[in-house]
Amino acid sequence: ETGVTQSPTHLIKTRGQQVTLRCSSQSGHNTVSWYQQALGQGPQFIFQYYREEENGRGNFPPRFSGLQFPNYSSELNVNALELDDSALYLCASSLRGEDTQYFGPGTRLTVL
Amino acid sequence: ELKVEQNPLFLSMQEGKNYTIYCNYSTTSDRLYWYRQDPGKSLESLFVLLSNGAVKQEGRLMASLDTKARLSTLHITAAVHDLSATYFCAVDLSTSGTYKYIFGTGTRLKVLA
Repeated sequence: ETGVTQSPTHLIKTRGQQVTLRCSSQSGHNTVSWYQQALGQGPQFIFQYYREEENGRGNFPPRFSGLQFPNYSSELNVNALELDDSALYLCASSLRGEDTQYFGPGTRLTVL
Repeated sequence: ELKVEQNPLFLSMQEGKNYTIYCNYSTTSDRLYWYRQDPGKSLESLFVLLSNGAVKQEGRLMASLDTKARLSTLHITAAVHDLSATYFCAVDLSTSGTYKYIFGTGTRLKVLA
């Protein structure tokens, strides 16, 4: 059984650029959630996808968008990057109806 | 405003001692989770608490949930150095099929040898 994977591991961008982060779910999981974790803080829920549709969203602006593909992998896109977007981005997969999420290793994004 | 607060934020304790971390949340939920995070690493699921009065134990850690008080506790028994990490609680506030999940502020635990 393959765990949750994310790519890339690290990324450096400049303000105003766009970025795409990728997540592959654990085998058999149909739900993916994305979180932003700023340094020294708890993760903040961005959104969740189930069957390729957004199924809940936290307090993030529309420039944060996502996709889920038929194989349940997912992308997080962030447009018009701001300095405050610098953070660890975590995805977590789960099976709908079950309570445990499994987190990936994260992508650390630095915006200069 | 939805809040999930942990107390204390920082905890330094001697090996062999007992201590409790508290997680208070500001709205109704009967689904609470505890996670561990090592520095620079991702989150590891520790406990899933799904009803009032739920108690789960794993090794030196025991978690409980009181939904009426909107309080969960994570009790550490006879701490060892390997328990040093940041611990987060998280509350599931999903309604009508729409998902919403809020993490606490985190408690950074350091166990001194």
